[in-house]
Amino acid sequence: DIQLTQSPSFLSASVGDRVTITCRASQGISSYLAWYQQKPGKAPKLLIYAASTLQSGVPSRFSGSGSGTEFSLTISSLQPEDFATYYCQQFNSYPYTFGQGTKLEIK
Amino acid sequence: QVQVQESGPGLVKPSETLSLTCTVSGDSISRSTNYWGWIRQPPGKGLEWIGSIYYSGSTYYNPSLKSRVTISLDTSKNQFSLKLSSVTAADTAVYYCARLYALAAPRFDYWGQGTLVTVSS
Repeated sequence: DIQLTQSPSFLSASVGDRVTITCRASQGISSYLAWYQQKPGKAPKLLIYAASTLQSGVPSRFSGSGSGTEFSLTISSLQPEDFATYYCQQFNSYPYTFGQGTKLEIK
Repeated sequence: QVQVQESGPGLVKPSETLSLTCTVSGDSISRSTNYWGWIRQPPGKGLEWIGSIYYSGSTYYNPSLKSRVTISLDTSKNQFSLKLSSVTAADTAVYYCARLYALAAPRFDYWGQGTLVTVSS
């Protein structure tokens, strides 16, 4: 199985900050990576797919980059509604796996 | 607008079979661009992919659950379903169904709200 390791697991930041979350794959996954945002009691919401393609309707302050084994999700200027947990997921091979999550909290 | 909605019992006894149905609206489960999947999340923990099914009926399961999982389609009702046998307390989780859109690059783009299934006697 391909392991996805996110860092950090917890992140404390302020409104207006620029933050970056990293996802590292245990083997190369080309660009078959998606990012999701999950708020408490809600289903995950797709933000980014194919490592860097913004899902329709997602604000442009979200961006993704990377390929192979190293990926990142950047929020350029944090808004109050961005405080949530973020997950990466690989689609390169079965079983599809998720990272352990990064909880973004208000400082 | 695509919508997916889980339904099924919220309480299942140990050793019994968990059965959930996902009803799809706004899209056809028979469209060739789509797979359909199940994902679960134990309380306070991360996400786990359970398995996916293609419109043709081909299935793909997580090896950690493969011996106990069956995913199937009902094209007449535009639904797909999950069966997980021999459940234990470790199977207590919120279960999500979702569309896996496969055109250009795969991603789960539409998710149900999730349904909590508790395994307890």
